[in-house]
Parts: sequence; structure tokens; C-alpha cells
Amino acid sequence: SQTIHQWPATLVQPVGSPLSLECTVEGTSNPNLYWYRQAAGRGLQLLFYSVGIGQISSEVPQNLSASRPQDRQFILSSKKLLLSDSGFYLCAWSIRLYGYTFGSGTRLTVV
Amino acid sequence: EDQVTQSPEALRLQEGESSSLNCSYTVSGLRGLFWYRQDPGKGPEFLFTLYSAGEEKEKERLKATLTKKESFLHITAPKPEDSATYLCAVQDTGNQFYFGTGTSLTVIP
Repeated sequence: SQTIHQWPATLVQPVGSPLSLECTVEGTSNPNLYWYRQAAGRGLQLLFYSVGIGQISSEVPQNLSASRPQDRQFILSSKKLLLSDSGFYLCAWSIRLYGYTFGSGTRLTVV
Repeated sequence: EDQVTQSPEALRLQEGESSSLNCSYTVSGLRGLFWYRQDPGKGPEFLFTLYSAGEEKEKERLKATLTKKESFLHITAPKPEDSATYLCAVQDTGNQFYFGTGTSLTVIP
């Protein structure tokens, strides 16, 4: 079966510290992978998507970056976190762009 | 311009009190409309996909319908465990996805 793993579930980081969130997918090959951020009352904001290894598209210019070192691995990073980076981050995958399967999410609090 | 609008933002129902959630969209070409359920602190969980006007999908107490401009998620005789945020998303013919901000449903025993 196809599953998606995202970790950690919660993270508290000081301002200016680095960030690395990881997402892996099982049971499928060459999925489209996505990072979303969800803010209360504002819906889901697409941050990055990837259609293949090393292929990253950014939707919103910001303090974050993404990488896809392997077919089923998607990483969200930052060199220096800002307070405004706090939020709920979701990894998702899709095959042929027909709907998403989401990970369990990471609650990031920057203090 | 908002592509997807969900209403109401919040809904409180008594257990057994049926109601509907609305998702209206303005994309030029619809490829699919998706409903998700999201529990607090969790990722959205897929419920339904609708592709064309007139289509209906059912799952337990939930029924989703689609017209050319909107979709409804009907909840029949809800139970407290149906409490969650329900998200709607639309995929256009350019494969862009647009999410609504969700309806927070609370079912009171």
C-alpha cells in the first residue's frame, strides 16, 4: 500500500536556527511531491513541488528551500528560521495529479 | 481572486441534526473537486473526488454532490466523531490546485 511518512510531528526552534523537515513516500514510484503550509483560517499554501529527483519548483519566495535527493524523499529546509516561519507544514504526494495524499504534518513553532 | 470559497466557516450541530457544507469555485475549467477531512493536528484525509456536474459520492453519513459552480457535502444524522474541519479543493485543467479555507464542524452530543 502507498504511505507517506513525515517527521517530526512537532518542533520548537529558536529564531535564526536551521530547519530540516523530511518526508518519504512508500509504495509508489516517481510521485509528484509537495510541501504545503497551513495557517489558521487561511487554508493551504503551496510552498514547493517536485515532479522528479532534483526538480524543485517554488511557488512562494521565502526563507525556505526544498530538495529531492531521492525519488521518494522530499526535504524542506531553512538556514535561518524567522518567527513568521511558524506554522503547520504538510507533505503530500500525487500520481498523475489526481488528488493528494497528505502526511500527518509538522507543527513548527519558532520562538 | 478567490478560486474556492467554503461556507460556513464554522458549524455547530446537535447530534442527529443533518446539514450541508458548501464549496463554491470559480476556476475556468474543472478537472476535479476533492473533499478532505482534517482532524486537529493531523494532515487532511481524502474523502471524495467529483469530476463532473451531477456526480454524487457517498460514504457512511457523508454525501458529496457537484454542480457547475459548487459542491455540497451533506451530513446526515451526524455523530460527535464527525467533528472535524472539512476542506474542499479544486483542480483546474491546467493541473493547478486551489484549496478552500475549510468548514469547522462541531457535533454536540
